[in-house]
Amino acid sequence: SQQGEEDPQALSIQEGENATMNCSYKTSINNLQWYRQNSGRGLVHLILIRSNEREKHSGRLRVTLDTSKKSSSLLITASRAADTASYFCATGRGSQGNLIFGKGTKLSVKP
Amino acid sequence: DAGITQSPRHKVTETGTPVTLRCHQTENHRYMYWYRQDPGHGLRLIHYSYGVKDTDKGEVSDGYSVSRSKTEDFLLTLESATSSQTSVYFCAISPGTGGLDEQFFGPGTRLTVL
Repeated sequence: SQQGEEDPQALSIQEGENATMNCSYKTSINNLQWYRQNSGRGLVHLILIRSNEREKHSGRLRVTLDTSKKSSSLLITASRAADTASYFCATGRGSQGNLIFGKGTKLSVKP
Repeated sequence: DAGITQSPRHKVTETGTPVTLRCHQTENHRYMYWYRQDPGHGLRLIHYSYGVKDTDKGEVSDGYSVSRSKTEDFLLTLESATSSQTSVYFCAISPGTGGLDEQFFGPGTRLTVL
């Protein structure tokens, strides 16, 4: 059962623009994680934000978490063609369960 | 890919045959997972392991079994492959329980069941 749902399903932007992807979930969480998947490859962990955090940065990535709205957003600033990939959110509910992944947002960055 | 390998990377088999996929890690992580990825479904958990000989079912475990006799190896077996098991299979590892820590993924195995 999918916990997180990404929005939009697909996003196409020009190099240099910012890309924003959203994730909504249904139940309380311990943490929310974002992963990237390049075509034909495995997922790569990008960032983990815990339920008591509101914002986290890593390089050109900015993640926000709003537990009252049960939503998170991933912002990639100054996008590059190499950022072209699918991005997945995954919710963790602590020691009681495993990560549950959404279906992903497919990002295309055109040079 | 964080010291995780999967074998084989590609496999074509026929309906009804047994298939075993192997995941090998060099990170000494306690937790290991098998997922399948299908268009329109995202990533779904098949089975996971929280230690040697300790395994449990995930969301889509029917038709699959697993074994973990050593920390570094986690095997996924399709006892009698069906066409609905055509998919890309990913192994992942984690130092802590899946609900708390990040996971590191292998490169995947593309399985086609004819």
